[in-house]
Amino acid sequence: AQTVTQSQPEMSVQEAETVTLSCTYDTSESDYYLFWYKQPPSRQMILVIRQEAYKQQNATENRFSVNFQKAAKSFSLKISDSQLGDAAMYFCAYRNPAGGTSYGKLTFGQGTILTVHP
Amino acid sequence: ETGVTQTPRHLVMGMTNKKSLKCEQHLGHNAMYWYKQSAKKPLELMFVYSLEERVENNSVPSRFSPECPNSSHLFLHLHTLQPEDSALYLCASSQVLGGRQPQHFGDGTRLSIL
Repeated sequence: AQTVTQSQPEMSVQEAETVTLSCTYDTSESDYYLFWYKQPPSRQMILVIRQEAYKQQNATENRFSVNFQKAAKSFSLKISDSQLGDAAMYFCAYRNPAGGTSYGKLTFGQGTILTVHP
Repeated sequence: ETGVTQTPRHLVMGMTNKKSLKCEQHLGHNAMYWYKQSAKKPLELMFVYSLEERVENNSVPSRFSPECPNSSHLFLHLHTLQPEDSALYLCASSQVLGGRQPQHFGDGTRLSIL
């Protein structure tokens, strides 16, 4: 079974600085998808960024980028120029493609609480 | 209205009560999900529906009973719950099962069992 591990329960960063959130996963599959979701306090969980395992290039979305190391099964999220609105719980998630006996279950890590200091 | 809407936002119930959580998606998606989010634990997938058919029942106790009358609506019927069932219940939808498209989440229902 796939597992996702976020080893940092809490992280903090100064406004305008850069922070990296760690995520590792375990799988025997070669084709899969990885996601980072953000859940602000008492607000909706939203997608931050996604990565297809077959793509070697790291995904980037504005101030958010990932460092995808397939061999190491590592998928870290870098937030540049941190803003107060970035404060939230961040979840790393893994998904197999659907097909055969797999329905493409999304497996989440435990989450990392990010605090942004002004 | 757009996105995934969950009602109620908060629910307090006794252990002998029967209540239902409702989820509605306005995205034209074919797959819907129920998750349980407890403090200091990863999100736990409870149920998965694709085109109104249940794909997965992830070893959830029978006191939780899902219903998917159509691809836009998903319910979670609750009865005889236990205190450990207090949690945030999240509904999500996706265009299809699996794939690169993300799941879209509702705001959740905060459930408290007295």
